[in-house]
This record gives sequence, C-alpha cells and structure tokens, in this order.
Amino acid sequence: AQRVTQPEKLLSVFKGAPVELKCNYSYSGSPELFWYVQYSRQRLQLLLRHISRESIKGFTADLNKGETSFHLKKPFAQEEDSAMYYCALSGRGTSGSRLTFGEGTQLTVNP
Amino acid sequence: KAGVTQTPRYLIKTRGQQVTLSCSPISGHRSVSWYQQTPGQGLQFLFEYFSETQRNKGNFPGRFSGRQFSNSRSEMNVSTLELGDSALYLCASSSVGPSGNTIYFGEGSWLTVV
Repeated sequence: AQRVTQPEKLLSVFKGAPVELKCNYSYSGSPELFWYVQYSRQRLQLLLRHISRESIKGFTADLNKGETSFHLKKPFAQEEDSAMYYCALSGRGTSGSRLTFGEGTQLTVNP
Repeated sequence: KAGVTQTPRYLIKTRGQQVTLSCSPISGHRSVSWYQQTPGQGLQFLFEYFSETQRNKGNFPGRFSGRQFSNSRSEMNVSTLELGDSALYLCASSSVGPSGNTIYFGEGSWLTVV
C-alpha cells in the first residue's frame, strides 16, 4: 500500500522567512514524488518532481529515501506563495499514472 | 498546447439522478485519470484509463464508472447520486517520458447534489 502524510494542515510564515512543508511517504517499491500547488480558485498545478531535480519559483525538494521524506523548501517566502500544497506519490512502472495525495498543507505568507 | 479541459464546470443534480462528466486530455496524452476532491477526504483516486482500457481503479462503489474513447477523451458517470457525492471531480492526463510521469490536471467539474 502507498501512503503520503503531510503532518501540518496549516502553516503560517512571514514574508522573507524560510519555509518548509513536510511530506513523508510509505511505499514498498521505487516511488516518484511530486509537489502540486493549488492557488485560490485555480487548477492543481505541478510544482516539481523529484526526478527532474528542478527549482521552480525558488522551491526545492530532495527525496530522502532513508527517512522516506520529500520536504518542500524555500529560503525566502513571498506573499504570492500563499496556496494549498499537496505532496503526491506514484509508483514507478507498476501503478500507471495513479497518484496518492497527502492531505495538503495550507501555506499563508503574511506581509 | 491546450491544457486538460473538463465540462461542465458546474452542475447541480438531485439525489437519485445520474451525471456524466467529460474530459479532453492534452493532445498526445493517452492516459486519463479521475479524482474526487472533498474537504473531508481530500484528493482520492477514482480510476485511470489508457488506450480505452481501465488500468487502475480506486476504492469507490460501482456507481462510479468511466470510459475512454479512441481519441483519448474520457467520461465518468455517477449513477444514483447521493448527497455525499458532492465534490470537485478532477481529470488528469499524463505522458510518460524519459524522466517519468508528467501528470497535468484540469480545472475540475463542481458537482452539487441536493
């Protein structure tokens, strides 16, 4: 079975402060991990994937297989980062395009 | 390139009725999957279709069904609607490249059951 846990439902930081959104997963095989962002009244957007190791909008995430974590980080939060963030997992090769999502973390960046 | 398109965007149905939602994937994407999003349960996987065949299925009752056409467009149907079926239904299309899956979502269809 695959499971994704985001321990914080709500996270509030001030503009310019570092932010870290936590994600832990459980999967017996080799996972693909994703972060999706959902701004108010907008569609779910892919933020980044662990495979591509990109930095999007200043966000990075590193897959730690030992701790089974994929935390999302940004050194200096901006007000426009306020949104709902979802961590998601897909099993490579065996589960097609099926994503298992965490419960989501609502990030608020205060001025 | 056009994104994932879902219709209708909003609809209201009465308990006991049935509903059909439509999804047009990104051109060239052969996989289409459906998700239900509710405040209480979050995002839950319904099913996935690839080349007109159901490839994966989530834990939803048989009232929820889907299909995919030869042009990769997909529909999902919910029969005998219940109040608890009120949700945002999201469609996603995906392609598999050298660096794995890339999955894109539509804006969703907001279903209210009264």
